[in-house]
Amino acid sequence: KNEVEQSPQNLTAQEGEFITINCSYSVGISALHWLQQHPGGGIVSLFMLSSGKKKHGRLIATINIQEKHSSLHITASHPRDSAVYICAVTNSGNTPLVFGKGTRLSVIA
Amino acid sequence: DSGVTQTPKHLITATGQRVTLRCSPRSGDLSVYWYQQSLDQGLQFLIQYYNGEERAKGNILERFSAQQFPDLHSELNLSSLELGDSALYFCASSLTSVETQYFGPGTRLLVL
Repeated sequence: KNEVEQSPQNLTAQEGEFITINCSYSVGISALHWLQQHPGGGIVSLFMLSSGKKKHGRLIATINIQEKHSSLHITASHPRDSAVYICAVTNSGNTPLVFGKGTRLSVIA
Repeated sequence: DSGVTQTPKHLITATGQRVTLRCSPRSGDLSVYWYQQSLDQGLQFLIQYYNGEERAKGNILERFSAQQFPDLHSELNLSSLELGDSALYFCASSLTSVETQYFGPGTRLLVL
């Protein structure tokens, strides 16, 4: 069983919809990362968080340490948000990132 | 643009060959990470260097090796290549081990 589980695996949304992608992990962590991988392959780091909530533009990431769960929300989704969103965790500064398998999001105009 | 550069962008080679992938981290970043992304395995951590020294090792095959040079650029050497080594190889860098990682554009390796 992967230490990091994401759901859903695939998601199709209409432009303007509110989107939620979930990530659950099984081990204690020091930080959780949300990454975005564009269709061309490039990876962008969206958030790194260890508690609470972070917001950047239309993206919001939350984490509940007790429940070992994080969510990535996209408000007013747009076709340019179409990408694979990957959750990754680390349980200390020196341990490597463990990745989820990603959620493939398609936003249709 | 993350500030991390990787060369080459694409590489096609034959089984049994050896290749070297190069990564230049963002200016000032001391940590360099190498990742492999294959279709069936997703992203996997290979190895991390911090200021020239190996810091952490993941599922890196013995046929693979890496180093970080005094100018902080890093190279990943893949030898005795097999078909299954075909993948995207990403380099990432960060200031320290606990900071956000910035990913390079990747090197797409195809072994025929």
